[in-house]
Amino acid sequence: AQSVAQPEDQVNVAEGNPLTVKCTYSVSGNPYLFWYVQYPNRGLQFLLKYITGDNLVKGSYGFEAEFNKSQTSFHLKKPSALVSDSALYFCAVRARYNFNKFYFGSGTKLNVKP
Amino acid sequence: GAGVSQSPRYKVAKRGQDVALRCDPISGHVSLFWYQQALGQGPEFLTYFQNEAQLDKSGLPSDRFFAERPEGSVSTLKIQRTQQEDSAVYLCASSLALSSGDVKTQYFGPGTRLLVL
Repeated sequence: AQSVAQPEDQVNVAEGNPLTVKCTYSVSGNPYLFWYVQYPNRGLQFLLKYITGDNLVKGSYGFEAEFNKSQTSFHLKKPSALVSDSALYFCAVRARYNFNKFYFGSGTKLNVKP
Repeated sequence: GAGVSQSPRYKVAKRGQDVALRCDPISGHVSLFWYQQALGQGPEFLTYFQNEAQLDKSGLPSDRFFAERPEGSVSTLKIQRTQQEDSAVYLCASSLALSSGDVKTQYFGPGTRLLVL
């Protein structure tokens, strides 16, 4: 079965410190990988995606993510967190052979404290 | 330009009532998706349209759920005889045309929060 796991329901970090939000997946083949952010009462906003090539992908608002094929992980990172980064983050995966179906993780709430 | 819009933003229904949720995708976006997001969970795929054709409805949880996109733009998700377990946020997303070898970003609407009493 295809699945995406975000093992942490919540991540707390102090402003200015680096942050990591974890994601692992179980999808056949070499999937496409995405991160989305959701603010209260707003739709999901695209942050970044991995298709192929360099394992480190840079996205919006200073976020980046590292693809690790052997560990089937796609962790979201940022060198210096901002209070405004506090939101709900979702990892998503799309199989290459079934291009209309996206699988989302359960989300990780990021709290950045001043 | 305008993003994906959904209406109503909130809907309270009595159990057994029929509801209709509307999605206006970004102009020119061929692909349209519906997702159900239960409280504390990630979105779960319901159905997918390419233009007016519903190519995948494997995620619809029961035959009470029905979606249409008759002219290839606006889409409606209809839930008949609503049950309490249908309470969730229903998200719509659109993108440029999908293909097996290409990856187009999905753009999400704000969602419709449905509460069935």
